[in-house]
Amino acid sequence: AQKITQTQPGMFVQEKEAVTLDCTYDTSDPSYGLFWYKQPSSGEMIFLIYQGSYDQQNATEGRYSLNFQKARKSANLVISASQLGDSAMYFCAMREGASYDKVIFGPGTSLSVIP
Amino acid sequence: NAGVTQTPKFQVLKTGQSMTLQCAQDMNHNSMYWYRQDPGMGLRLIYYSASEGTTDKGEVPNGYNVSRLNKREFSLRLESAAPSQTSVYFCASTSGGLNSPLHFGNGTRLTVT
Repeated sequence: AQKITQTQPGMFVQEKEAVTLDCTYDTSDPSYGLFWYKQPSSGEMIFLIYQGSYDQQNATEGRYSLNFQKARKSANLVISASQLGDSAMYFCAMREGASYDKVIFGPGTSLSVIP
Repeated sequence: NAGVTQTPKFQVLKTGQSMTLQCAQDMNHNSMYWYRQDPGMGLRLIYYSASEGTTDKGEVPNGYNVSRLNKREFSLRLESAAPSQTSVYFCASTSGGLNSPLHFGNGTRLTVT
């Protein structure tokens, strides 16, 4: 069965520093996709970055990058040069290839950026 | 471009009352989803629909029913609301493909007293 774990309920980072948010997942399907979403205090869900299980390179999108370690089943989000606007909840999500319509989420990590 | 529209934004129910949460998307997406969000639990999948006419249970389907009325609309019904169903409900949709992200509505905050 699909499962996503995010072990850091809350994280703090100094402005302009980099921070890594952890995500581990469990699946028996060799084909899957991993997503990160941001939820600011206003409540909307914002898609950040995607990593496919067969992608050869780690995904990057601006200040966001994924540290994808397939053998360890981890897909950690790295935010470089943190900004005050990065303060939000961050969710890791997975979509399996066999039933790729089903998308499940982890419990999330609350990130606070300190000026 | 509206994207995913959910109604209502807020709702207060008494235990035992019923209600339907409405969701519509204008992006011609095949798949639609209902999630609930509770503190510390992340988003938990209630039901999803891969295409018009099909629905499947997610992680927490008990106490809910859904209808995929057409390609655009996916409604969530609480037949007899319970305080445990107090939550924020999100509707989402996506096109086909493993790499397609979900597009979310703005959520419905439901309180059951």
